[in-house]
Amino acid sequence: AQSVTQLDSQVPVFEEAPVELRCNYSSSVSVYLFWYVQYPNQGLQLLLKYLSGSTLVKGINGFEAEFNKSQTSFHLRKPSVHISDTAEYFCAVRMPGGSEKLVFGKGTKLTVNP
Amino acid sequence: DADVTQTPRNRITKTGKRIMLECSQTKGHDRMYWYRQDPGLGLRLIYYSFDVKDINKGEISDGYSVSRQAQAKFSLSLESAIPNQTALYFCATSDRDRDRGQETQYFGPGTRLLVL
Repeated sequence: AQSVTQLDSQVPVFEEAPVELRCNYSSSVSVYLFWYVQYPNQGLQLLLKYLSGSTLVKGINGFEAEFNKSQTSFHLRKPSVHISDTAEYFCAVRMPGGSEKLVFGKGTKLTVNP
Repeated sequence: DADVTQTPRNRITKTGKRIMLECSQTKGHDRMYWYRQDPGLGLRLIYYSFDVKDINKGEISDGYSVSRQAQAKFSLSLESAIPNQTALYFCATSDRDRDRGQETQYFGPGTRLLVL
């Protein structure tokens, strides 16, 4: 069975600092990987996804993530955060070819302070 | 206008009451999902539907039922609400894809439910 671990439940940073939100997954087969963001009082929206090919994936709002198969990780990064990036971020995994289940991590709450 | 809408946005009810949460979408997607979100637990899948005649249980379907009235509408019912069903509920949709794993899910704004 697949599972997703987000190692940090809360990450506080100062504005314009870099940030990395960590995500590790467990699966014995290839997977698709996703990062979703949830702004306060809103639903989730897709930041980026890894399906195949280049291991560095660029998403919206200046975020990027790197797939590392050997470490089964898909960490999310941004070189310089803004106050508006304050939100909860969810990593999710799905199996190719027929699995309907999108398995979410427990989320990381990013707080950007001035 | 929002592509995925949920009604109501907030609801307070009492233990034992029947309640229905509704989801509508204008994206023309075949696939629809219901999730619940609890603090510190992420999102968990309750039910999903790949077309009007297709209903499938997710990982936490006990105590819930669903109805897919049309391609655009997918409702979630709690036949007899209990306090541990207090949560934030999300509807999501996705388009059909040759490889099911790849498609993006689009989420509604959520329904906050409190069961007293």
